[in-house]
Amino acid sequence: SQKIEQNSEALNIQEGKTATLTCNYTNYSPAYLQWYRQDPGRGPVFLLLIRENEKEKRKERLKVTFDTTLKQSLFHITASQPADSATYLCALDMIRYGTASKLTFGTGTRLQVTL
Amino acid sequence: DTGVSQNPRHKITKRGQNVTFRCDPISEHNRLYWYRQTLGQGPEFLTYFQNEAQLEKSRLLSDRFSAERPKGSFSTLEIQRTEQGDSAMYLCASSLKRDARAEGQYFGPGTRLTVL
Repeated sequence: SQKIEQNSEALNIQEGKTATLTCNYTNYSPAYLQWYRQDPGRGPVFLLLIRENEKEKRKERLKVTFDTTLKQSLFHITASQPADSATYLCALDMIRYGTASKLTFGTGTRLQVTL
Repeated sequence: DTGVSQNPRHKITKRGQNVTFRCDPISEHNRLYWYRQTLGQGPEFLTYFQNEAQLEKSRLLSDRFSAERPKGSFSTLEIQRTEQGDSAMYLCASSLKRDARAEGQYFGPGTRLTVL
């Protein structure tokens, strides 16, 4: 069966450390993988997109890797801050050529950054 | 505010009633999506429009659900004869598709539906 797995348990880290979140998938062949941030009671916010032929993407303190052999993406937040505390969702986009960008989301991992 | 807006933010209704939600996307965006999210889960795709054309519908979207996007601007999602299982957050997202590249989606704050 098709599955997208993210750590259901919250990740607690200390301010200033690097947070690493994992997204594993089975029986999918995504063309793209996206990461979103979601705060309680609010809609997801787009962070980064990485293509199947890209190994790594960076944006400010964020870094995403995408390993299509392992069927895994890692999402890193360096120099984490309490304001980074939120749920982080990975989403797969299966469409390669043009039309839809229908996303299939994981359940998300809650990150808690403490002082 | 130039983001995606959704109304109402909250809706409480009795089982069997009809409800309608509205989404106003970012003005230059040509794609509009509806998702549903329940507690502890990620959003689930329901349907999507490119301009005014509804191009895909999920199997989750039973015949009690209908969505429209007249004139390719705002969209409405109607649920007829609501059931308690319809209780969820209904999220709208929009994006601008200019070429074959994928793009991120911009979500609204959602409409939380509670069916009593």
